[in-house]
Parts: sequence; structure tokens; C-alpha cells
Amino acid sequence: SAVISQKPSRDICQRGTSLTIQCQVDSQVTMMFWYRQQPGQSLTLIATANQGSEATYESGFVIDKFPISRPNLTFSTLTVSNMSPEDSSIYLCSVEDRRLRETQYFGPGTRLLVL
Amino acid sequence: QKEVEQNSGPLSVPEGAIASLNCTYSDRGSQSFFWYRQYSGKSPELIMSIYSNGDKEDGRFTAQLNKASQYVSLLIRDSQPSDSATYLCAVLYNNNDMRFGAGTRLTVKP
Repeated sequence: SAVISQKPSRDICQRGTSLTIQCQVDSQVTMMFWYRQQPGQSLTLIATANQGSEATYESGFVIDKFPISRPNLTFSTLTVSNMSPEDSSIYLCSVEDRRLRETQYFGPGTRLLVL
Repeated sequence: QKEVEQNSGPLSVPEGAIASLNCTYSDRGSQSFFWYRQYSGKSPELIMSIYSNGDKEDGRFTAQLNKASQYVSLLIRDSQPSDSATYLCAVLYNNNDMRFGAGTRLTVKP
């Protein structure tokens, strides 16, 4: 499976600021996904990022709050804008392996605490 | 509504026993099903995938799928304390739309 890295691994941020999370994959992938996992909860899909097109956002998530970039087939960023304590969560990127019928593999996650 | 339901647990089994984790899903059109294991503070890791009715075995793990009943399960034989984790059931709907259950927390007691 692909090797996925995320930066930063964790951060503590002040209310009202923004944080950009990077996701790097060691091979070219078509589909990348961004999830949020709030404490004690399961994973919620934020958006799907395809290279060369606008990200597709799930209900309840908007581009102004979570802008996403996908400049090439191995890299994506998610920005959490104008943060509030409710944004404290783990943010995970994942990639799809089409050779394995759309199986998704996850990066190590970014643990965000907003004060 | 695309839903994936799991018993949140916690499920506690003694070491060496069989742990049985269950999951139901709402969309009959779903074709791909996955089990992920998530240790505390870590990201989910894929354990098993299953696409056809019946059983699929991989080491101590067996995934079972019954599409007519919209039911998928994971059996862990000879459970070990290292199996203690949260197990997430995931169902792939159309257009790469993967939905996760809330997860079942498993504790294997020595």
C-alpha cells in the first residue's frame, strides 16, 4: 500500500487563526480524501480532492472554512480557517488504491487543539 | 440515507476467545466492505476487505458478508491483548463515497 505522511502531526492553535495540513503520498494517486475524527467519534468525510479539479465537499463542510489544494498526484493540503475550539479534532487524509477496488489507506493524522 | 451501524461496545473477551464484531448497512447497492482497526491515538489501518457473500479468512481474522441481510461481521479467533482497539466497519457506496460506522471498542483481557 502507499506510504502517506502528514504535517504537522499535531498543533495547538489560537482561536481565529488558520492551519494548513499537508498530505504527501509516495506514489501517484487519483483520489485523495480528507476526514475529520472528533474525540470519541468515527470518521466524517470532509471532502474529496481530485488533481486538476475543485474539491467536492460533503454536506456541512464549505470551501471557505476548509479550502483544499491538490496541485499534483502525490500531494494535497487542507486548511482549517478561522478556527474555533469546535474544530479541535484529528484530521486524516486518505488515498484510494484502485487496484484494490477503491480500498482507502490513511495517513497518520494531524491532532489539532484550538484554544 | 447511507448509514452504517455498529454496536459501540465496549466488547470485552478473555484472551484466547473468539471476538465477534457486527455491522449493518442501509444501502442494498453497496458492493465493497471493509474492516479497519484503530488503536488509541493512531489512524485506522485496514484489516480486511470483502466483496462477495460468504466468509473470507486471513490468519486469525474472518470477515463474513450477507448482502441479503445487509450484514457484515468480523471474527477474531484466539484473541490477544494486542487486538484491543476500536474496530471500524466501512461501506463503499457509489462514487468513492465510503461511510464509516461509529466503531466497536474491543478489550481482550489477559
